[in-house]
Amino acid sequence: AQSVTQPDIHITVSEGASLELRCNYSYGATPYLFWYVQSPGQGLQLLLKYFSGDTLVQGIKGFEAEFKRSQSSFNLRKPSVHWSDAAEYFCAVGESQAAGNKLTFGGGTRVLVKP
Amino acid sequence: DAGITQSPRHKVTETGTPVTLRCHQTENHRYMYWYRQDPGHGLRLIHYSYGVKDTDKGEVSDGYSVSRSKTEDFLLTLESATSSQTSVYFCAIRTPDTNIQYFGAGTRLSVL
Repeated sequence: AQSVTQPDIHITVSEGASLELRCNYSYGATPYLFWYVQSPGQGLQLLLKYFSGDTLVQGIKGFEAEFKRSQSSFNLRKPSVHWSDAAEYFCAVGESQAAGNKLTFGGGTRVLVKP
Repeated sequence: DAGITQSPRHKVTETGTPVTLRCHQTENHRYMYWYRQDPGHGLRLIHYSYGVKDTDKGEVSDGYSVSRSKTEDFLLTLESATSSQTSVYFCAIRTPDTNIQYFGAGTRLSVL
């Protein structure tokens, strides 16, 4: 069965500093990988996705993620954090269309931004 | 905005009562999903649908049933609610020819 691990439950970062969120996955085939962000009381918004091709993918709000097959990782990065980036971030791996395109999520990382 | 409406947005109910949550989409997408969100667990799939009257179980389906009689509506029913079903429930749709899911705003359910 597929699984996703986000090792950091909470991360506190100063505004303007860089941010990296870790994600490790377990999946038997080539994965579809996603990062979503959730602001308090809101639904999930897609930040970026990896399906194939270039292993460095760009997303919205200045985020990027790098797929490393050898490490089964898909870490999310942002060079300079803004106060509005305070939220919870979820990594997810998606199954093939034949398997219903089901998503398996990590437990999430809550990001706090210090002024 | 992916055209997904969840209702109700908040509900408080008592143990043993039936509860139905509704997910409505305006885009006529084939795939729809129900997840629950609990602290430390991220989102976990309850049931999903791949067409009218076509549904399948997810990771945490026990105690839940679903129905889809129209393309636009996907209902999640708790036949006899328990306190362990207190959670935030999210509906999602998958856009055609992609593997991207878009989520509704969620329903916060409290079972007392």
